[in-house]
Amino acid sequence: AQTVTQSQPEMSVQEAETVTLSCTYDTSESDYYLFWYKQPPSRQMILVIRQEAYKQQNATENRFSVNFQKAAKSFSLKISDSQLGDAAMYFCAYRTNDMRFGAGTRLTVKP
Amino acid sequence: DVKVTQSSRYLVKRTGEKVFLECVQDMDHENMFWYRQDPGLGLRLIYFSYDVKMKEKGDIPEGYSVSREKKERFSLILESASTNQTSMYLCASNRAGWTGTSTNEKLFFGSGTQLSVL
Repeated sequence: AQTVTQSQPEMSVQEAETVTLSCTYDTSESDYYLFWYKQPPSRQMILVIRQEAYKQQNATENRFSVNFQKAAKSFSLKISDSQLGDAAMYFCAYRTNDMRFGAGTRLTVKP
Repeated sequence: DVKVTQSSRYLVKRTGEKVFLECVQDMDHENMFWYRQDPGLGLRLIYFSYDVKMKEKGDIPEGYSVSREKKERFSLILESASTNQTSMYLCASNRAGWTGTSTNEKLFFGSGTQLSVL
């Protein structure tokens, strides 16, 4: 089975600063999709950003961007200009026909 | 607005009880998923279904079964609840897509059911 590893259980960042959350995955597939989801205290899972493995260009969504290194099987999330509302659990996910998630990183944003 | 609805937000059951967790989606999605979420372990896939009456085991199917009699409804069943099944259960759905078919469909999640087995 594919595995997704998030090596940082907790991270903190100062408001307006930049933080990078790490994710690595293990797969033998060549075509797949990668996602970052955010889960605030409301428990609702929110899609932050997604990346197709066949695309070399890194995905960006406003203040969120990824560093996708296919050969290294690495998919990190960079949050720029961090805001208090970014505080949440962040989950990296990998998809072929189903979706597998990492253990999550709890992000704290300090005012 | 698209919706995935889980029947209960909080549930308390006793050891040995048969427990049904219901999930309904209104988006005509083919795929439906059940995850459990535990601190430090993230979301772990229990079962998923890619069509009516079809199901596939995820990473931790032991102690669980599922039912998908209608496209919009995916039920998770704990045949005999145990204390180690105390957890947050999340249901999700999305449109069918397989690698190589140019789909990056995100999952739509329900709000979760916090199940406590005493």
